[in-house]
Amino acid sequence: EVLLVESGGGLVRPGGSLRLSCATSGFTLSNYDMHWVRQATGRGLEWVSLIGSTGDTYFADSVKGRFTISRENAKNSLYLQMNSLRADDTAVYYCTRGDGYNTPFDYWGQGTLVTVSS
Amino acid sequence: QSALTQPASVSGSPGQSITISCTGSSSDVGNYNLVSWYQQHPSNAPKLMIYGDTKRPSGVSNRFSGSKSGNTASLIISGLQAEDEADYYCCSYAGGSTWVFGGGTKLTVL
Repeated sequence: EVLLVESGGGLVRPGGSLRLSCATSGFTLSNYDMHWVRQATGRGLEWVSLIGSTGDTYFADSVKGRFTISRENAKNSLYLQMNSLRADDTAVYYCTRGDGYNTPFDYWGQGTLVTVSS
Repeated sequence: QSALTQPASVSGSPGQSITISCTGSSSDVGNYNLVSWYQQHPSNAPKLMIYGDTKRPSGVSNRFSGSKSGNTASLIISGLQAEDEADYYCCSYAGGSTWVFGGGTKLTVL
């Protein structure tokens, strides 16, 4: 069974940093692309970042230069380092698996809430 | 990276069919056969319902189908059931290894 479990969310002040983690199981992480998608309370979904199976990284314009994505295949883990956080980064952050570009988000974690507030 | 356009809400009675539209541009929906649809019940994570414009993952009811014409994709749900009441999001590949979602549509089963 494919499982994705996010952690690391919490309350952080504007300008601060936070590192999210996603523990994966039930599949071989190194064979898959992995994404982060976020959802502000009562709002829609927003694609945030992709790390390809080969390690290439991509970001939405809204987070480019502030967020980095990484993976440790040996630890079955995905990460999102978030710096220079702003109030509009407040959202539930989901870790999702991508099975090629045809199936970008086939499995989702339960999400972790990040709140940016003073 | 402008969001795709979906109606805010649609409704239908049990047993009826409904269609949710998703309008993008020639840079995303109209340029790739890579539209996917997601169902999200309150307080739950989204679930993949349609991928590659028209394909259905195993385990998803055949009451759900997808279509596309030009820059507009559609999700069709036939034989509406109470359990279909949820938010639905479309998503398209937008080039450059980026993706764009629609704003979401709330489906109410009357």
